[in-house]
Amino acid sequence: DAGVTQSPTHLIKTRGQQVTLRCSPKSGHDTVSWYQQALGQGPQFIFQYYEEEERQRGNFPDRFSGHQFPNYSSELNVNALLLGDSALYLCASSFGGAIVRGNQPQHFGDGTRLSIL
Amino acid sequence: RKEVEQDPGPFNVPEGATVAFNCTYSNSASQSFFWYRQDCRKEPKLLMSVYSSGNEDGRFTAQLNRASQYISLLIRDSKLSDSATYLCVAPNPPGGYNKLIFGAGTRLAVHP
Repeated sequence: DAGVTQSPTHLIKTRGQQVTLRCSPKSGHDTVSWYQQALGQGPQFIFQYYEEEERQRGNFPDRFSGHQFPNYSSELNVNALLLGDSALYLCASSFGGAIVRGNQPQHFGDGTRLSIL
Repeated sequence: RKEVEQDPGPFNVPEGATVAFNCTYSNSASQSFFWYRQDCRKEPKLLMSVYSSGNEDGRFTAQLNRASQYISLLIRDSKLSDSATYLCVAPNPPGGYNKLIFGAGTRLAVHP
C-alpha cells in the first residue's frame, strides 16, 4: 500500500524563477493538502484540494497556486520565487468524502526541500 | 495569540525518565487534536489522536483539558529513539475540512 509520494526530494532555484512540486496521495485518499515548513517552525497550511478544486486556503499569496488531477494527484506551483520561500514543502492526504470533519488525521509525504539562492 | 502554542524546549532527559509537554490552543470550539512526531529533516508522523478527555498508547498518554484549553503529552520510560520534535495539532475550523494548525513543536533529546 503506497503512502504519500512527493517529487522531487530536493530542488534548488534562484529568485524570480517558478517551481512545480508534485504529490500522489495515499491509496484510497482523495484529498490533498499542502504545507510549508520553515526551519524551526511547524508546518503552515497553504491550501487543500478536493474534487479537483481548492477547498480551503491559508494565508499565502497568489504566487502559490495548485491543481488536482482526476487521479487525485496534485501539484503545487510557486511563481516569482523569493528567498523566504526556502522551506520543506509537505503534501498530506486524507479521505475527504462528502462530509468531512476535522477529526481525520492526515498522512504526510517525505516532502520536497526547496532552496532559493 | 497564536492558535496553537508549545514550549519549544529542548527538553533534555535521561533514558527512563518521564517527560510531559503542554500545548495550548485558542479556539474553544476545537473538538479533536493530534500529536505528531517529526524526526530531523523528515515528515511529521501521527503519534496520537485526542478526541475526548484523553488517550493512552503504551508509554504515551495524551490528555485534553477543555476548561483550560490545553493538551498534554506524557512519555514514560523515555527511550533514545523518542528523541524528536513533537508537534501539537488542532484542526481548524473545528469540524471543518482537515485544515491542520500546527504548533512550532517541542524538541525532546533523550540521552544515555
